[in-house]
Amino acid sequence: SAVISQKPSRDICQRGTSLTIQCQVDSQVTMMFWYRQQPGQSLTLIATANQGSEATYESGFVIDKFPISRPNLTFSTLTVSNMSPEDSSIYLCSVGQEGFFGPGTRLTVL
Amino acid sequence: ELKVEQNPLFLSMQEGKNYTIYCNYSTTSDRLYWYRQDPGKSLESLFVLLSNGAVKQEGRLMASLDTKARLSTLHITAAVHDLSATYFCAVDRAGSGGGADGLTFGKGTHLIIQP
Repeated sequence: SAVISQKPSRDICQRGTSLTIQCQVDSQVTMMFWYRQQPGQSLTLIATANQGSEATYESGFVIDKFPISRPNLTFSTLTVSNMSPEDSSIYLCSVGQEGFFGPGTRLTVL
Repeated sequence: ELKVEQNPLFLSMQEGKNYTIYCNYSTTSDRLYWYRQDPGKSLESLFVLLSNGAVKQEGRLMASLDTKARLSTLHITAAVHDLSATYFCAVDRAGSGGGADGLTFGKGTHLIIQP
């Protein structure tokens, strides 16, 4: 099974700022996914990030708000831009079809 | 659009009892996942079910899949307090048509097991 790490594990940010979350995998994977889990809620897919192509965003999520990079087969970043308190969530990355998730990044926006 | 319904959403039960969590989904899919989430933690993968009639067991948990009925169950046998957590089912969109990838999650079942 793939080992997935995320940085930072948690952060507290001010309204209007941006935060970049990193996801690192210990093996090469074609597909990486970013999910959001709002407080007390289930997980919602933000986007699919494939290496060498633009990320595919789900309905309700846009590139200007959640830009994603996928520079190689083991790494991806998700940026949460111009944050508001409604962005306070856990952000998780996942890889491939095995369904494994990283430890998540807990974001609080004040 | 793939929809995943999970029930019950909340379950309080006593140790030693048996219970089942249900997961219905709306379109064909190749894979169904069950996860456990403890408060403040990420998701722990419990089972991946790939085919009709698949049954997997780990300790007091057993998951099954009926692709014809588009139904999966997570059965808890002789529950113990340590199984208290939120359980999610998720369905892979890759086999549901439309070319989409990624998982669609149910709302989760918040399970409390009381001594």
